[in-house]
Amino acid sequence: EVLLLEAGGGFVQPGGSLRLSCVASGFNIRNYVMSWVRQAPGKGLEWVSSLSGSTGSPTYVASVKGRFTISRDDSTNTLYLQMNTLRVEDTAIYYCAKHLIAGSTNWFDPWGQGTLVTVSS
Amino acid sequence: SYELTQPLSVSVALGQTARITCGGYKIGNRNVHWYQQKPGQAPLLVIYRDTNRPSGIPERFSGSNSGDAATLTISRAHVGDEGDYYCQVWDSSAVFGGGTKLTVL
Repeated sequence: EVLLLEAGGGFVQPGGSLRLSCVASGFNIRNYVMSWVRQAPGKGLEWVSSLSGSTGSPTYVASVKGRFTISRDDSTNTLYLQMNTLRVEDTAIYYCAKHLIAGSTNWFDPWGQGTLVTVSS
Repeated sequence: SYELTQPLSVSVALGQTARITCGGYKIGNRNVHWYQQKPGQAPLLVIYRDTNRPSGIPERFSGSNSGDAATLTISRAHVGDEGDYYCQVWDSSAVFGGGTKLTVL
């Protein structure tokens, strides 16, 4: 069974840092594109960052570029999101998700259960 | 950047058919994916590439896509189908619609 389990969320003051982790089971993350998607309280879904399986190349939404870093550890099959210089508007549940790809389209299945990040003074 | 528009809410009578739309410029030329999210839970893929159901998703869920709108159709709606539904396309990154809250009356 393919499963994703996030951890690392918590309460942090503006300007602080957190590192999220997502442990995958049932598949090797190095063979897939993986993403972080967030959801602010009461709001919709927003893609944050992706990491290519084959090349390891990262991509980011403009609002987190220069502050967030996506990475992975193949030995532990874990995806990470290092979040620095956090802002109040980064408050959200952060989900990791596995990409499925066909031609020029990507979709997400499955998703982890999410981890809550709260940025507040 | 590409934008997707969904109605904020859709209501359907128990056992009837619900239709949730996802509007976008020439969206019929793109592949659309749909997710269901129940309160306190992670999103769940219910339709991918316009019309395909993942294993475990009931046949009551179907999708279509043409012109400037994609549609998620839920037949014989159950109370258990209540939740938020999001459409998504890929445009060099994931683009999500704003979500539609489905209520079964």
